[in-house]
Amino acid sequence: KNQVEQSPQSLIILEGKNCTLQCNYTVSPFSNLRWYKQDTGRGPVSLTIMTFSENTKSNGRYTATLDADTKQSSLHITASQLSDSASYICVVSAFTTGTYKYIFGTGTRLKVLA
Amino acid sequence: DARVTQTPRHKVTEMGQEVTMRCQPILGHNTVFWYRQTMMQGLELLAYFRNRAPLDDSGMPKDRFSAEMPDATLATLKIQPSEPRDSAVYFCASGLVRTSGTYEQYFGPGTRLTVT
Repeated sequence: KNQVEQSPQSLIILEGKNCTLQCNYTVSPFSNLRWYKQDTGRGPVSLTIMTFSENTKSNGRYTATLDADTKQSSLHITASQLSDSASYICVVSAFTTGTYKYIFGTGTRLKVLA
Repeated sequence: DARVTQTPRHKVTEMGQEVTMRCQPILGHNTVFWYRQTMMQGLELLAYFRNRAPLDDSGMPKDRFSAEMPDATLATLKIQPSEPRDSAVYFCASGLVRTSGTYEQYFGPGTRLTVT
């Protein structure tokens, strides 16, 4: 069964600290993995997209890693800011029978405190 | 600054009523998605279109939901009749899919639907 699991479910950190969010998946055939940031009351915003051959991708203070062998991805946030408080959603897509299937994690809710 | 727009932003309706949500994708994007988000289920893909043709609507309850793209600048999601369990935030997203298959998705602000 195609599944995406994210951990932790929620996280509280102090401003300036680093943190890492996890995404484990059992999706086949794997096409790509995306990380989204969703502020409260807003639509998700894409942070990174990673294909099978990519191990790491950065977007400013956000760095995503992908281990296709273990089917794990992480999102590392460096020097956190108050504006990083949001939900972070991992989405894995599979391309099968001519269409993409998107499997969503339930997200990690991050709170950055001053 | 191109962005996806959705109307209405909020909708409160009574059970049994018809609800129509509208989305204007970013000009030039060839793929449009409809998502639903609830606290319990998280984000779910309902349907998506490529070049206005429906590619996958397997996430959508067919008996009451319908999605269409009458033209390239408008996508609609209709619920008839609506039920309290349809209460959620409905997001539209658009993207430009290239031959590489990888593309960015841009989400609209969502329509918050409450069915009483």
